[in-house]
Amino acid sequence: SQQGEEDPQALSIQEGENATMNCSYKTSINNLQWYRQNSGRGLVHLILIRSNEREKHSGRLRVTLDTSKKSSSLLITASRAADTASYFCATDARGGADGLTFGKGTHLIIQP
Amino acid sequence: DAGVTQSPTHLIKTRGQQVTLRCSPKSGHDTVSWYQQALGQGPQFIFQYYEEEERQRGNFPDRFSGHQFPNYSSELNVNALLLGDSALYLCASSLEGIRSPLHFGNGTRLTVT
Repeated sequence: SQQGEEDPQALSIQEGENATMNCSYKTSINNLQWYRQNSGRGLVHLILIRSNEREKHSGRLRVTLDTSKKSSSLLITASRAADTASYFCATDARGGADGLTFGKGTHLIIQP
Repeated sequence: DAGVTQSPTHLIKTRGQQVTLRCSPKSGHDTVSWYQQALGQGPQFIFQYYEEEERQRGNFPDRFSGHQFPNYSSELNVNALLLGDSALYLCASSLEGIRSPLHFGNGTRLTVT
């Protein structure tokens, strides 16, 4: 079953704007990770946030984690055409024995 | 420093046949995980290999099996192929399990006709 659920399913914005994607999950986690996938390619790891962390930054990326609401958000600032891709959250469930659980992803389109 | 490599890139098989997919992990990584990604969906965990043993397994039937070699490379075997097995199969490597970030290959696109 897919624990992570991203919202929205698709997002189209103008270059230079900020993009925000949300992820909800169901069980307790060790960490939550965000990945990017360009069409038909493998996934690229963006950022990992541990269950005891609330916010993390990496370049133009900002991730927040609210374990009480079982949710996370990914903010991409000053978007570029090259940011066009699908973005997935993945959870490492505490006590889980089934690898990382990915959501269905948010498809982000940056219009020039 | 080579990343994760998978072969072949594309494969077409007939229902009922068997297929073997191959993966070489990123240099220095000792753990290999396999994922199945259907069109428009997120990857689903098949299994993970560490020290040549299957350490974790997702909700996939026994038709899906794997192997890890002493050089950490891995194979995914699928028997008695079904039309529903058509998907992108992704290999990911990491250091000692899933609590470190996964490095993915570009996948093998399997089409079952």
